[in-house]
Amino acid sequence: QQQVKQSPQSLIVQKGGISIINCAYENTAFDYFPWYQQFPGKGPALLIAIRPDVSEKKEGRFTISFNKSAKQFSLHIMDSQPGDSATYFCAASRGSNYQLIWGAGTKLIIKP
Amino acid sequence: ETGVTQSPTHLIKTRGQQVTLRCSSQSGHNTVSWYQQALGQGPQFIFQYYREEENGRGNFPPRFSGLQFPNYSSELNVNALELDDSALYLCASSLVFRQGGGNTEAFFGQGTRLTVV
Repeated sequence: QQQVKQSPQSLIVQKGGISIINCAYENTAFDYFPWYQQFPGKGPALLIAIRPDVSEKKEGRFTISFNKSAKQFSLHIMDSQPGDSATYFCAASRGSNYQLIWGAGTKLIIKP
Repeated sequence: ETGVTQSPTHLIKTRGQQVTLRCSSQSGHNTVSWYQQALGQGPQFIFQYYREEENGRGNFPPRFSGLQFPNYSSELNVNALELDDSALYLCASSLVFRQGGGNTEAFFGQGTRLTVV
């Protein structure tokens, strides 16, 4: 019940395209859903986060879509750029106390 | 760059040894969380310290222990190292306003790469 399942494991997108990464969770007590971006040799950095009282949140080219009934949430990266090439993790927690349960990660490659 | 620093950056230990990893939290932060990230996997929550007290623990054995100091820096200690302990160890610091009262975004350090041989 503590798992967060993330897909796909890897993704190749052409420059300018839309990158979509999906996550599903089981624990209905989760109420904080962040996405992190990690570059090689670096720690994860918070990209965008959502709470279940909204179905969508947008920050620049990054959008989270949240489906509470399906227990799924996804990250959309619009106009994907080579600089977006990184590993992306979804996560979930009860409250934003950062006792996070993480997905396995998606390695995103944006082809020029 | 975040204000969270971890030391050392890389470490090689022998199975059965003990190791101490250190984390200096961002100025003004009072909470430190530790995560283990095996190669190619997502981080796994080890434990969290809030104002020098353990404030939650993941599914890790007691040989993983920690400390938080009055300046809110933290240590992660691992005894009786096993080969499977080889991983990137991440710490994240945040400011919790009070228990259950919300908190700021957590910032991660660059991690300590531990290799057990």
